[in-house]
Amino acid sequence: GAVVSQHPSWVICKSGTSVKIECRSLDFQATTMFWYRQFPKQSLMLMATSNEGSKATYEQGVEKDKFLINHASLTLSTLTVTSAHPEDSSFYICSVVYLGQPQHFGDGTRLSIL
Amino acid sequence: AQTVTQSQPEMSVQEAETVTLSCTYDTSESNYYLFWYKQPPSRQMILVIRQEAYKQQNATENRFSVNFQKAAKSFSLKISDSQLGDTAMYFCAFMYSGGSNYKLTFGKGTLLTVNP
Repeated sequence: GAVVSQHPSWVICKSGTSVKIECRSLDFQATTMFWYRQFPKQSLMLMATSNEGSKATYEQGVEKDKFLINHASLTLSTLTVTSAHPEDSSFYICSVVYLGQPQHFGDGTRLSIL
Repeated sequence: AQTVTQSQPEMSVQEAETVTLSCTYDTSESNYYLFWYKQPPSRQMILVIRQEAYKQQNATENRFSVNFQKAAKSFSLKISDSQLGDTAMYFCAFMYSGGSNYKLTFGKGTLLTVNP
């Protein structure tokens, strides 16, 4: 069964608004979660590593102030796209490490900024 | 830094036939995992198969098997008896197993189309 829940699956909003995406681990504690971004027909690009109780580790080139990550509990990490613009439109996917085994992915969030 | 290369952007195969997807990687590490992930049009990431680098035996999962050549740093995926539902993007991925960061490095992917 699924070990990760990601919400919402699809969101459309106006330019300038902020959008929050949630990633939850189901029935287990996840100290580490990952956030990826994927453009159409391209591979997954790691944006940041979300660590429970500490600041996220961002990959080079990812704007920390644009993509806010909060991992306040052992089962929930959130990605907030602040002041979103059309170029932020993309597919965002989270993943968790479960029992040290291969990363388990959420179903993704399709973000469309008008 | 690790790199993963998938040299076939697109492939097609007839239903019931066999197809092999290529993947090469570059690393200086000796302890690592290799994975193949499938991403169908729904865009859900599905783990197909994984291989621990210390294991010489090639991993198999039903119709999916790998040819792991550690010295050559090659990790190809063979799909036997291809089915229409195998149509998807396939990503090869590398993960260093000696630390605790669990980061995955993905290849650019191969779009596989299974034709009826």
